[in-house]
Amino acid sequence: NAGVTQTPKFQVLKTGQSMTLQCAQDMNHEYMSWYRQDPGMGLRLIHYSVGAGITDQGEVPNGYNVSRSTTEDFPLRLLSAAPSQTSVYFCASSYSSDSYEQYFGPGTRLTVT
Amino acid sequence: GNSVTQMEGPVTLSEEAFLTINCTYTATGYPSLFWYVQYPGEGLQLLLKATKADDKGSNKGFEATYRKETTSFHLEKGSVQVSDSAVYFCALTHAGNNRKLIWGLGTSLAVNP
Repeated sequence: NAGVTQTPKFQVLKTGQSMTLQCAQDMNHEYMSWYRQDPGMGLRLIHYSVGAGITDQGEVPNGYNVSRSTTEDFPLRLLSAAPSQTSVYFCASSYSSDSYEQYFGPGTRLTVT
Repeated sequence: GNSVTQMEGPVTLSEEAFLTINCTYTATGYPSLFWYVQYPGEGLQLLLKATKADDKGSNKGFEATYRKETTSFHLEKGSVQVSDSAVYFCALTHAGNNRKLIWGLGTSLAVNP
């Protein structure tokens, strides 16, 4: 199993550009989520999904869209990039189990100039 | 609401020193508790977990005991190595939280040879 994969690893955007961060998992996990990690802020939940066709907002959803058309994929779209979206983005997935432990991808480092 | 509080870092230790990173939580019901580790330039990995009171999670020489009476889940290791240098995150989740993880801010550990 590849686990949770994310592409790209690094990305530089100009203000106003749009892009999609890809996330895929091959563990048949129901639950998937996107976080951003900023210095001194810890991890903040952007959006999450409890299954194909179902998505919901986390703590900081503004400026981001998600969709979940398949169990495997959970892309994150930046509609119009802003410097405040410079961050490291992590995708995670979880199987439906008692402990709800989550498995993380390697991250995408995004810089918006 | 639910929350996790970790001791602030950075923590700097010499090799073979004893490590404690404090974590306390506020939550309704009986959450599952986790420690995740993030090595430099990588995503987060689950280090250990405990799903009920008095459970002890352990992995790679690290241990943490779920103490409901003190609402704590302190991370300990008897003899740290340089390779343990990383950021450590305490987190909780439970069924009523729709599997969303509640995170501490992370504690950076640097181990010197």
